[in-house]
Amino acid sequence: EVQLVESGGGLVQPGGSLRLSCAASGFTFSSYEMNWVRQAPGKGLEWVSYISGTSRTIYYSDSVKGRFTISRDNAKNSLYLQMNSLRAEDTAVYYCARDRDGVTFDFWGQGTLVTVSS
Amino acid sequence: DIQMTQSPSTLSASVGDRVTITCRASQSISSWLAWYQQKPGKAPNLLIYKASSLESGVPSRFSGSGSGTEFTLTISSLQPDDFATYYCQQYNTYSRAFGQGTKVEIK
Repeated sequence: EVQLVESGGGLVQPGGSLRLSCAASGFTFSSYEMNWVRQAPGKGLEWVSYISGTSRTIYYSDSVKGRFTISRDNAKNSLYLQMNSLRAEDTAVYYCARDRDGVTFDFWGQGTLVTVSS
Repeated sequence: DIQMTQSPSTLSASVGDRVTITCRASQSISSWLAWYQQKPGKAPNLLIYKASSLESGVPSRFSGSGSGTEFTLTISSLQPDDFATYYCQQYNTYSRAFGQGTKVEIK
């Protein structure tokens, strides 16, 4: 059974940092591209970042470029999002999502809440 | 960047109704469009990919159509479990933009 479990969310002050993790199981992690998607409270879905299976290709949304870093460790079946210089507008539930070729996001984690507030 | 626009933003319907949601892309995305259902407090669930392909396990009352810039999601006979928010998403480019969502409410 495919499972994606996010962790690392919490309350952080503006300007602070946080590292999110996504533990994957039930599939060959290295064969899949992965993404982070976020959802601010009461708002819609916003794509944040993409990483290829080999980590060779990485993309970011304009809203996080230069502040967030996506990475993965295929030996540990894990995806990460390092978030620096956090702002109030980064407050959201962050989901990791598996990217199936030709299909897009076929499995999602349950999400982890990041709150940026003083 | 490609922008995705859904209509309506909110839809009131009754059990058994046929429901249609529209999604428009700011430029052609061929058939690289997906539809998701999201319930409060839960992660989105993939319903349709490549504009009209039904994801495994999704009831056949859901269907998708369209190509280029105009797409529709249709629920042929609305069931109690279908009251939720629906999002379209383009995956023609790396920035996987979502529509703003359509909330389907009980009439």
